[in-house]
Amino acid sequence: GAVVSQHPSRVICKSGTSVKIECRSLDFQATTMFWYRQFPKQSLMLMATSNEGSKATYEQGVEKDKFLINHASLTLSTLTVTSAHPEDSSFYICSADRGRDTEAFFGQGTRLTVV
Amino acid sequence: GEDVEQSLFLSVREGDSSVINCTYTDSSSTYLYWYKQEPGAGLQLLTYIFSNMDMKQDQRLTVLLNKKDKHLSLRIADTQTGDSAIYFCAESDTGRRALTFGSGTRLQVQP
Repeated sequence: GAVVSQHPSRVICKSGTSVKIECRSLDFQATTMFWYRQFPKQSLMLMATSNEGSKATYEQGVEKDKFLINHASLTLSTLTVTSAHPEDSSFYICSADRGRDTEAFFGQGTRLTVV
Repeated sequence: GEDVEQSLFLSVREGDSSVINCTYTDSSSTYLYWYKQEPGAGLQLLTYIFSNMDMKQDQRLTVLLNKKDKHLSLRIADTQTGDSAIYFCAESDTGRRALTFGSGTRLQVQP
């Protein structure tokens, strides 16, 4: 149990286009989902926290108009990178929390390359 | 804000023990985690420890926590080539449940 699926695993897009990344909790309801970003050879940095049915809380320095987060149901959160640029190329990974575990459960991650 | 520090690189010979160290600053940290990341892959939770514990052992893994010094370590016994990866320590408090990660330690296991 407690499986989180992230899709797609890899995506290449052209500069200026938008890309949507999905994070699904397959066998549980996630009260909260988190989105992280990892630049090459760096650590994971929290981008935003999303709770179902409410607006996401963004970390300082993360543009909410560029990284749109929608958490429309207890099993799905989406991150849309709008008007992507090469500097947005990164590894994006989500985690889902069902509120009663010690750990949050991570998706497999999405490697975004903007050309 | 919270800060988690790790050394960047560790090289050991196969069969030796590896010790990866981590320090953190947030005194309200309740949970401390160790994750493994292989190249191009996501995160695999290895183990975690509550802040009221000093030690936790799980097969080849031993976690030591010195809460006074805010120091966490992960010992891997009998290190194998398959253990080569990046190891992240992370912390969270009960309120926030988002994780603050260290910079990651690249473990290289020499045959």
